[in-house]
Amino acid sequence: EAQVTQNPRYLITVTGKKLTVTCSQNMNHEYMSWYRQDPGLGLRQIYYSMNVEVTDKGDVPEGYKVSRKEKRNFPLILESPSPNQTSLYFCASSYIGLAGGSPYNEQFFGPGTRLTVL
Amino acid sequence: AQKVTQAQTEISVVEKEDVTLDCVYETRDTTYYLFWYKQPPSGELVFLIRRNSFDEQNEISGRYSWNFQKSTSSFNFTITASQVVDSAVYFCALSEVYENDMRFGAGTRLTVKP
Repeated sequence: EAQVTQNPRYLITVTGKKLTVTCSQNMNHEYMSWYRQDPGLGLRQIYYSMNVEVTDKGDVPEGYKVSRKEKRNFPLILESPSPNQTSLYFCASSYIGLAGGSPYNEQFFGPGTRLTVL
Repeated sequence: AQKVTQAQTEISVVEKEDVTLDCVYETRDTTYYLFWYKQPPSGELVFLIRRNSFDEQNEISGRYSWNFQKSTSSFNFTITASQVVDSAVYFCALSEVYENDMRFGAGTRLTVKP
């Protein structure tokens, strides 16, 4: 089954304790992204990766790191979490497809990781 | 720059009422895609529809229908005869074709009361 998996699904931690949220996709997609969702703000992109070893900042990258050593994995790293990083996080993988001769960007979202930083 | 506005923060209706969720977008591209997602209380994002900028035909899927009006940059979503199970947060999103970035609206929380 084509899917994006994230772990853990729920995490409560304390300020300053480094954590990693893993993301894995089995669709051989080149593109992967991380989003955070906050009330009233929708989903905002944190980082994205266009391929192995190629990553770039999204709209809200401060306080986060990512790496893309393998095509299927795109972990999100919080080196020193703070309470303002309490949020719902989504990983997504995507590809550019063709429909009726027109290209489109198809995104597949993981189930989400609910992070609380105390 | 692309932007999606969902002006309705929260909507509350009684079961069997029709409800329309508004979505207005901004983009400089001529080729783009619009999406609607449902987020039930469990938190996952459920894909509802993708529409490309060249196809302005309205779409109907059961009780759901979508009205795409390029002239007003709107992509509104109507639920006919709403049900309690429709209670969720609904997101409208925009993707410019070659950008690996979906721009989301802030979401509309729909509550359907029995």
